[in-house]
Amino acid sequence: NAGVTQTPKFQVLKTGQSMTLQCAQDMNHEYMSWYRQDPGMGLRLIHYSVGAGITDQGEVPNGYNVSRSTTEDFPLRLLSAAPSQTSVYFCASSYSKFADSPLHFGNGTRLTVT
Amino acid sequence: GQQVMQIPQYQHVQEGEDFTTYCNSSTTLSNIQWYKQRPGGHPVFLIQLVKSGEVKKQKRLTFQFGEAKKNSSLHITATQTTDVGTYFCAGRRRQGNEKLTFGTGTRLTIIP
Repeated sequence: NAGVTQTPKFQVLKTGQSMTLQCAQDMNHEYMSWYRQDPGMGLRLIHYSVGAGITDQGEVPNGYNVSRSTTEDFPLRLLSAAPSQTSVYFCASSYSKFADSPLHFGNGTRLTVT
Repeated sequence: GQQVMQIPQYQHVQEGEDFTTYCNSSTTLSNIQWYKQRPGGHPVFLIQLVKSGEVKKQKRLTFQFGEAKKNSSLHITATQTTDVGTYFCAGRRRQGNEKLTFGTGTRLTIIP
């Protein structure tokens, strides 16, 4: 199993550009989520999904869209990139949406917006 | 909304010294999880605590969950260079347990 795969690893965007961060998992996990990591602020939840066709907002959803058309894939779309979105983005999945399920993280995408 | 704070934010210790990080939630948690992130890496799950007052050990690491299920701690005995990294706690509220909220993390550096 590859686990959770994120692409790309690095990306530089100009303000106003759009892009999609890809996330795929091959563990048949029900729950998938996106976090951003900024210095001193830990990991903040952007969006999450408890199954195909179901998505919901986390703590910091503004400026981001998600969709979950399949169990395996959970892409994160930046509609119009802003410098405040410079961050490291992690996709994470777990087998269940319930409390006893640990998260498996991808290797992350380092995004810089100039 | 739910907030999870960790202290200290940074900790520098001599190799062989002990290390402790504390995690405090503004709301009662259904459980708490701990993760370790090596420099340049991604968070990796360490352990989960579920019961009030629970204590679990993994070799030199001891994890505790508070009686009120609002705080937790991670203690490392006799640190080694392999312990370097950032330690995060993460918890879900009793109600609405789909969102896992992470603490701000404690970055541990070891002085050889």
